[in-house]
Amino acid sequence: AQSVTQPDIHITVSEGASLELRCNYSYGATPYLFWYVQSPGQGLQLLLKYFSGDTLVQGIKGFEAEFKRSQSSFNLRKPSVHWSDAAEYFCAIQGAQKLVFGQGTRLTINP
Amino acid sequence: SQTIHQWPATLVQPVGSPLSLECTVEGTSNPNLYWYRQAAGRGLQLLFYSVGIGQISSEVPQNLSASRPQDRQFILSSKKLLLSDSGFYLCAWSVREGGYTFGSGTRLTVV
Repeated sequence: AQSVTQPDIHITVSEGASLELRCNYSYGATPYLFWYVQSPGQGLQLLLKYFSGDTLVQGIKGFEAEFKRSQSSFNLRKPSVHWSDAAEYFCAIQGAQKLVFGQGTRLTINP
Repeated sequence: SQTIHQWPATLVQPVGSPLSLECTVEGTSNPNLYWYRQAAGRGLQLLFYSVGIGQISSEVPQNLSASRPQDRQFILSSKKLLLSDSGFYLCAWSVREGGYTFGSGTRLTVV
C-alpha cells in the first residue's frame, strides 16, 4: 500500500524568504504525486501534480516541486513566500484508485 | 463545467443522533468518489471510496457507512453519532488518473 510522510508538522518562515516543504513517499510502482493547500476552514486546492516526464513541476502561486525517485521524495519549494501563503500543505500519492495524504505541514509566515 | 456540491457546510449534532451528508457531482460521468475526514489538527484520512454505483470500499472500520445510489451521488451516513465522529468531512471525485477535485467540506461537531 502507498504512504506519504511529511516530516515537518509546523514550519515558520519570514515573508520574502525561500521555502521548502518535505515529502517522502512509499510505493512499489511509479507514483502519481500531488501537493494541495488548505486555508483555515476551507477545502483543498491543488497546487501541482506529477504524473510523468519532467521531474521539476511548476504549479500555481509560484510553487514548484521536484520528483526524486532515488530519494523517494517530492519536495515543494517557493523562492519567496508571501503572507498569503500561510496555510496547511498536504502531499499526496495516488495508487490503486485512491489518494492517500500525508499528515500535513502548517506554514506560518512572520512579517 | 465539472463541479462538486457538498452540504451542509456546518452541522452540530447530539451524540447518538443519525447523520447523512450528501455529495453530488456535475459535468462528468462514472467518476470515482471519495469521502475523507480531517480531525482537528490532523491530516486527511480516507474513509470510503466508490468506483461505481453500489460499489463501496471501506478504508477504516468505524461508526460510519457510505452509499452510492446514483452515478454522481455519494452519501455518508451514521445511525448513531459518537463524539469521535467530529471533524471536517470532504468529498472528492476523480476520473481515472485525472487528479482529484474536492468539495468545500462539512464541519461536523458532535456534542
